[in-house]
Amino acid sequence: AAGVIQSPRHLIKEKRETATLKCYPIPRHDTVYWYQQGPGQDPQFLISFYEKMQSDKGSIPDRFSAQQFSDYHSELNMSSLELGDSALYFCASSDLGRSNQPQHFGDGTRLSIL
Amino acid sequence: TQLLEQSPQFLSIQEGENLTVYCNSSSVFSSLQWYRQEPGEGPVLLVTVVTGGEVKKLKRLTFQFGDARKDSSLHITAAQPGDTGLYLCVGGTSYGKLTFGQGTILTVHP
Repeated sequence: AAGVIQSPRHLIKEKRETATLKCYPIPRHDTVYWYQQGPGQDPQFLISFYEKMQSDKGSIPDRFSAQQFSDYHSELNMSSLELGDSALYFCASSDLGRSNQPQHFGDGTRLSIL
Repeated sequence: TQLLEQSPQFLSIQEGENLTVYCNSSSVFSSLQWYRQEPGEGPVLLVTVVTGGEVKKLKRLTFQFGDARKDSSLHITAAQPGDTGLYLCVGGTSYGKLTFGQGTILTVHP
């Protein structure tokens, strides 16, 4: 079965640079979620989109923005990168139209800031 | 704010032993998911429980959802080294918001 696809898998940037992470949800899933996971921590919710509209906002810095496109893929744009942004970034998708459907996670993008 | 207390945080056992991981909350969840995560990879869904008192089995893994849908447990029988990983319990709401437990790092020694 198709899973959530994230790209790139690894990304190395320097401070103050920008980065764009991409997420392709499971086909027919209408909701995308972005998470940030630091070492030894559980995933922290950043932002979610339902049917291409922002549905919920968590601890996403103002330097970050995201959107969901007409084909349901999503991009997380990160600017003025800081050392503390180094983390694993996960995208998850679900079919929110059906009750109690779980979120399925991608394999993540490991972002390293030098 | 919903909180999900997961315990223990670390578990180191020998192959063949049994273990139980607990998740407790004062909040009611519409669903409870258990995920397993390996280093550098995304959480992989193991099971979803939605009905109070529900018990689901996945080979040597038994998952239970409390009657009041506030707590859950994961029991592994005869643990294997391949069971090593981070186990996350995650509470879900009807509108998709997730509450993560702190995770349990399980190490099974051969």
